[in-house]
Amino acid sequence: GEDVEQSLFLSVREGDSSVINCTYTDSSSTYLYWYKQEPGAGLQLLTYIFSNMDMKQDQRLTVLLNKKDKHLSLRIADTQTGDSAIYFCAESYTGTASKLTFGTGTRLQVTL
Amino acid sequence: DVKVTQSSRYLVKRTGEKVFLECVQDMDHENMFWYRQDPGLGLRLIYFSYDVKMKEKGDIPEGYSVSREKKERFSLILESASTNQTSMYLCASSSLGTGGSFGYTFGSGTRLTVV
Repeated sequence: GEDVEQSLFLSVREGDSSVINCTYTDSSSTYLYWYKQEPGAGLQLLTYIFSNMDMKQDQRLTVLLNKKDKHLSLRIADTQTGDSAIYFCAESYTGTASKLTFGTGTRLQVTL
Repeated sequence: DVKVTQSSRYLVKRTGEKVFLECVQDMDHENMFWYRQDPGLGLRLIYFSYDVKMKEKGDIPEGYSVSREKKERFSLILESASTNQTSMYLCASSSLGTGGSFGYTFGSGTRLTVV
């Protein structure tokens, strides 16, 4: 079965880079995602990567995928206080309703 | 702006009550999902539906049921609420076959407290 793991907490200083890591077990994953959840809100899709890609960059966000090690990371450059949130990685695979399996979430705290 | 709307942000219910959580999407999506979110456990799938009147169990369906009479509406039902169902409930939708490429659209969540 699928299992997606993340560390629970990360603290960084404003202006530094943040790297949030995720490991998954399902080698048949087709897409991998990063979602952001701000306090009291639902999840917002940040970015996604297709499983045949190694890297995707979108402004301050860089996603790295190591398919051999089943490792996904999200790098946030020049982290701001507005980046404080819970970040979830998720994987999907071809199947009924394209279900997503989510990680436990990493709470990012940005300090001044 | 497309959206998924959950009818209540906060609910307080008594043990044993029957509870309805409503979710409506305006994107004509085929797939709809109910998750619960608990600290340290992430999101866990309760039920999902890929068509009207269709439903499938997720990872933790015990104590819950669902109803999908119309394409835009997916209801989660707690038949007899218990304190261990105190949680944040999140509804999501996706388009058939493209749930993979574009992920889900989530509602804002309903925080349910059972006392």
